[in-house]
Amino acid sequence: DQQVKQNSPSLSVQEGRISILNCDYTNSMFDYFLWYKKYPAEGPTFLISISSIKDKNEDGRFTVFLNKSAKHLSLHIVPSQPGDSAVYFCAASANSGYALNFGKGTSLLVTP
Amino acid sequence: NAGVTQTPKFQVLKTGQSMTLQCAQDMNHNSMYWYRQDPGMGLRLIYYSASEGTTDKGEVPNGYNVSRLNKREFSLRLESAAPSQTSVYFCASSPGAISYGYTFGSGTRLTVV
Repeated sequence: DQQVKQNSPSLSVQEGRISILNCDYTNSMFDYFLWYKKYPAEGPTFLISISSIKDKNEDGRFTVFLNKSAKHLSLHIVPSQPGDSAVYFCAASANSGYALNFGKGTSLLVTP
Repeated sequence: NAGVTQTPKFQVLKTGQSMTLQCAQDMNHNSMYWYRQDPGMGLRLIYYSASEGTTDKGEVPNGYNVSRLNKREFSLRLESAAPSQTSVYFCASSPGAISYGYTFGSGTRLTVV
């Protein structure tokens, strides 16, 4: 049973606009959340993370928001750039342990 | 600055053949992982090694074995390959618990015919 869900398989955004990628989770024990970015034929690369004690974490153009009561997190990319076109995976861990549970990914296309 | 190196990058096996996927990291990380990625399924954990000398099953361990040869190397073995094991396999490492995030290798694309 998928504990981390990314319900939008794909998203298309114009360059310069905001991209919002969403992620929902079902396991209330999850306390650490990460976003990974993946280009074709490459491994995923770590993008940004957030602990359950926070509701927002920002790193340059990337911001992750966490709503624990709704078991929902989102990744905002502002402004979006063509180089941001990739598959984005949401991941979560329980008790800050070792194993990450990944969502199925959202393919983002940023058009010029 | 190699990071996580996986070999081979591509492999085609016949059903019933065996093979070992190799993974090595040069970042002095304690923990290492094997994931598989299938279309529409995201990444699923096969096995992990929290530290040298320990291994644990993940979500989909059946049909696989692992060896943490030393701190740098973590191999994944398919004893009798099946078409259901056709996938892209990713090795990853982390300094310790996941709060630091993983560093992934570039993957091994395995096809079992």
